[in-house]
Amino acid sequence: EAGVTQSPTHLIKTRGQQATLRCSPISGHTSVYWYQQALGLGLQFLLWYDEGEERNRGNFPPRFSGRQFPNYSSELNVNALELEDSALYLCASSPWGLFNTEAFFGQGTRLTVV
Amino acid sequence: GENVEQHPSTLSVQEGDSAVIKCTYSDSASNYFPWYKQELGKRPQLIIDIRSNVGEKKDQRIAVTLNKTAKHFSLHITETQPEDSAVYFCADSGGTNDMRFGAGTRLTVKP
Repeated sequence: EAGVTQSPTHLIKTRGQQATLRCSPISGHTSVYWYQQALGLGLQFLLWYDEGEERNRGNFPPRFSGRQFPNYSSELNVNALELEDSALYLCASSPWGLFNTEAFFGQGTRLTVV
Repeated sequence: GENVEQHPSTLSVQEGDSAVIKCTYSDSASNYFPWYKQELGKRPQLIIDIRSNVGEKKDQRIAVTLNKTAKHFSLHITETQPEDSAVYFCADSGGTNDMRFGAGTRLTVKP
């Protein structure tokens, strides 16, 4: 069974540009979560999508947004990139929500803003 | 879940010694407490978890304890080995259906 996959692996953008990150969940999983992991820091919750809708978001500005497609894959969009957006962005999936169940992570997209 | 506090941020032990990492949560609705291990350059992976109806769970050299009254839970690794070196994250999930992570503990096991 294929795990959670993310693309691209690495992404380099210039300050002010937009970045689009993609995530494909495990087959059968309807929930997709996005986390930001800045260098040396923990996992900060960004967004939760389930059944095509945004269910919850963390303490991030509106320029962090995304969507979930009918096949449950997801995109994370970061507009007006700032240098401090440089981080590893991890996607995780679960059957539905993360209430009482394991999160399966992708390998991440390392975003570098220069 | 809401914010989870994790201590210590770094931990260095000698091979064969025990390591203990502690977390405190604030959301009374939390009832699931997983621990993830993230090796350098790799994705976080679940190593053990505990649910609120259990006070302790053990899997070989790894154990987790939960004190719901105090809202504390801890990871215990016995007989540490160099391959245990990694960053460990605690997390909790509850009524909001998302999962919040602690800041992580970088464990170094010296041979």
